[in-house]
Formats: sequence, structure tokens, C-alpha cells
Amino acid sequence: GENVEQHPSTLSVQEGDSAVIKCTYSDSASNYFPWYKQELGKGPQLIIDIRSNVGEKKDQRIAVTLNKTAKHFSLHITETQPEDSAVYFCAASKKSAGNQFYFGTGTSLTVIP
Amino acid sequence: NAGVTQTPKFQVLKTGQSMTLQCAQDMNHNSMYWYRQDPGMGLRLIYYSASEGTTDKGEVPNGYNVSRLNKREFSLRLESAAPSQTSVYFCASSKTGDTEAFFGQGTRLTVV
Repeated sequence: GENVEQHPSTLSVQEGDSAVIKCTYSDSASNYFPWYKQELGKGPQLIIDIRSNVGEKKDQRIAVTLNKTAKHFSLHITETQPEDSAVYFCAASKKSAGNQFYFGTGTSLTVIP
Repeated sequence: NAGVTQTPKFQVLKTGQSMTLQCAQDMNHNSMYWYRQDPGMGLRLIYYSASEGTTDKGEVPNGYNVSRLNKREFSLRLESAAPSQTSVYFCASSKTGDTEAFFGQGTRLTVV
């Protein structure tokens, strides 16, 4: 099965700085890579996703890059704000008979005002 | 639309007791999932249902059973709870395996 590794496990940045979280995956057939944000006491929510036919995607202060050859993808948050503080998860999946999302172990991001 | 609704939100069980966690989605999704979340271990898949009428084991199925009652509902049952099953449980659903998964608010389960 798929193996998703995520780094770092914790990240602290000053407000206004950028944050980068990196993930690698093992199954070259994976074609969908979502990123989820989880606030305390809540379920994860999708913030951005990318498919294997695209190298980069942006949504305001958030961007995701994908390198299919190296099997890694990254989340970039620019101009961080205190409300960005949360746990972020990457995931990989593919459309197949055994639909499964494989999640990384999470990154706890703290934005220091 | 409510999205994904889980009940209960909190539960305390004694070792050996049984219980069923309920999950329902109103988005007409085909796929549904049960995850457990433990500190430092991310989200681990317990069971999933790719479509109505099918269920499959995930990464950590031991001690659990599931039922896909219909397209909307997917329940998780603990037959004989153990302290190792103390965790936060999340139900999720998606249209297919490669589209956005929507999560419920979670069930915090403590087994004493």
C-alpha cells in the first residue's frame, strides 16, 4: 500500500513569515494529493488539493507543489497569520477498487504574533 | 446541508463494554471511512466502504466491525472495548477515492 511521510512534525514561525510543509509518497499510481487543516476539537477540513497532471496550484496565500518524479509534494503558506495555527495533514489517494486516503502524521504549525 | 454527522461526540466506556458509533452523510457520496486519531500518529484508517454494500479493512481493523446500512449511513462497532481503543474517531465521506473527503466533528472515546 501507499506510505506517506510528512515533515516537520512541529513548526513555529513569526507572523508574516512563510511556512513550508513537505510530504513524500511511495505509490507512483497515486493521483490525488489533498491538504487538510485541523483546528482544535474539530475534524480536518480541505484547504487545497492537487492532481498528478498539475505541478503547482495556488489559492491566495496557500500553494501546493507536486514533483511526480521525486514523489514529493509541499504546502506553502505565505504571510502567515495567527489563525493559520493548526495541525496540517497531507494525504495521497487514487481512484481504484480499493479507495483509500493515506494520511501523513501531521504538522503542528504555530504562528507567533 | 449538515455534511457528515457523527454521534455521540463524547463517550466513556468500561473495558469489555460494547458500543456503536453512528455516522451519516447527506452529500450522496459513494465512499465512507472510519479513522482513528492518536497523538503523533496522524489519521489511521480502520475500515472503509467504497460503495453501498461493500466494506473493507483499513490499516487498523482489529477490534472493530462496520456496517454500511445504506448509502447515507456507516456505523462502527466496538464489540468489547479495550483501553487501547481510547482515541478520537472520525467518520468521513467522499464522492470517489480521488475527490475531497469531508469529515465529521469526531467522537472522543475513553475506555477505562
